[in-house]
Amino acid sequence: AQTVTQSQPEMSVQEAETVTLSCTYDTSESDYYLFWYKQPPSRQMILVIRQEAYKQQNATENRFSVNFQKAAKSFSLKISDSQLGDAAMYFCAYRNTGNQFYFGTGTSLTVIP
Amino acid sequence: NAGVTQTPKFRVLKTGQSMTLLCAQDMNHEYMYWYRQDPGMGLRLIHYSVGEGTTAKGEVPDGYNVSRLKKQNFLLGLESAAPSQTSVYFCASSYRTITDTQYFGPGTRLTVL
Repeated sequence: AQTVTQSQPEMSVQEAETVTLSCTYDTSESDYYLFWYKQPPSRQMILVIRQEAYKQQNATENRFSVNFQKAAKSFSLKISDSQLGDAAMYFCAYRNTGNQFYFGTGTSLTVIP
Repeated sequence: NAGVTQTPKFRVLKTGQSMTLLCAQDMNHEYMYWYRQDPGMGLRLIHYSVGEGTTAKGEVPDGYNVSRLKKQNFLLGLESAAPSQTSVYFCASSYRTITDTQYFGPGTRLTVL
């Protein structure tokens, strides 16, 4: 069974600084997809970034980028130039080819003005 | 274009009562999903559907039933609610392939007394 682990329940970052959220996963599959979702207090889940396992190049979306280490089964999220609106719960998620999704337990990010 | 909507937003049930949660999407998505989110845990997939008239079990399907009679609607039923089903329920949809982005609804907070 696939598992997703986020070892940092809480993180904080100074506004305009950079923060990295960690995620590791366990799988025996070679083809899969990884995602980072943001959940603000409104509870709506918002996709931040996604990565296909077969792609070696790390995905980037504006201030958000990932460090995907397939051999180490690691998928960290880097947020650059942090803004107050980045404060939220962040979830790492794994999706296999069988269309099953597995989420981590989340990291609560606080942005300090 | 309302995206993904969920009805109701809040509900309180007594043990043994039944209810149905409705998820609707107006994006012509093929895939729809039901998740539950519990404190200290990530989202867990209950059931999903890859098209009208089809459903499949996710990670935690026990105690729930689903139906997808229309492409735009995905119903989650609790036949005999239990306190362990107290949770926040999220519906999501995606276009077709597993690389497509999941769009989430705003969630339903269910309390079973």
